[in-house]
Amino acid sequence: NAGVTQTPKFQVLKTGQSMTLQCAQDMNHNSMYWYRQDPGMGLRLIYYSASEGTTDKGEVPNGYNVSRLNKREFSLRLESAAPSQTSVYFCASTTLPGTEAFFGQGTRLTVV
Amino acid sequence: GENVEQHPSTLSVQEGDSAVIKCTYSDSASNYFPWYKQELGKGPQLIIDIRSNVGEKKDQRIAVTLNKTAKHFSLHITETQPEDSAVYFCAASTKNTGNQFYFGTGTSLTVIP
Repeated sequence: NAGVTQTPKFQVLKTGQSMTLQCAQDMNHNSMYWYRQDPGMGLRLIYYSASEGTTDKGEVPNGYNVSRLNKREFSLRLESAAPSQTSVYFCASTTLPGTEAFFGQGTRLTVV
Repeated sequence: GENVEQHPSTLSVQEGDSAVIKCTYSDSASNYFPWYKQELGKGPQLIIDIRSNVGEKKDQRIAVTLNKTAKHFSLHITETQPEDSAVYFCAASTKNTGNQFYFGTGTSLTVIP
């Protein structure tokens, strides 16, 4: 089992460019999450999907969109990247909300 | 929403000593409290968790205590080893907000050989 797989691992974007971060899990988990990690601020929830077909905003959703493509895949889209979106992005999944979360290896995004 | 505070932000201990990291939370409805360890360049990994109906839980050298009245919980690592060096995050979740995890700001633990 690969667990939670994120692509790409690194990305540099110019301000205004768009991109999609991909996440896939092979644990048959129902719930998936996108977090951003900034120095001194811990992990903050951007969007989550409690189950296939549903998505909800987290703490910091502005500037992002998500798609729960199927039970395995949950993508995060930046439509018009801004320097403030420079961060490390983590995808996570849980069998049910409020249980152990499994994290991917992260995507380090730099917006210049 | 929930607010989780974590202290200290950095901690250095000698190998073999104990390390304690403390977190407080604001929402009395929070009922699940996991602790995650993050090594450099990797995603966080669960090391121990506790639910609100339990006061203490141990797993070998790691223990977590929960005080629901005071709304705080702590991570205790005994007999620390250099491989314990990492960043540790506490978190809390509550049904009131869809069981989202709210994370503390992290503690960078260094174990000095």
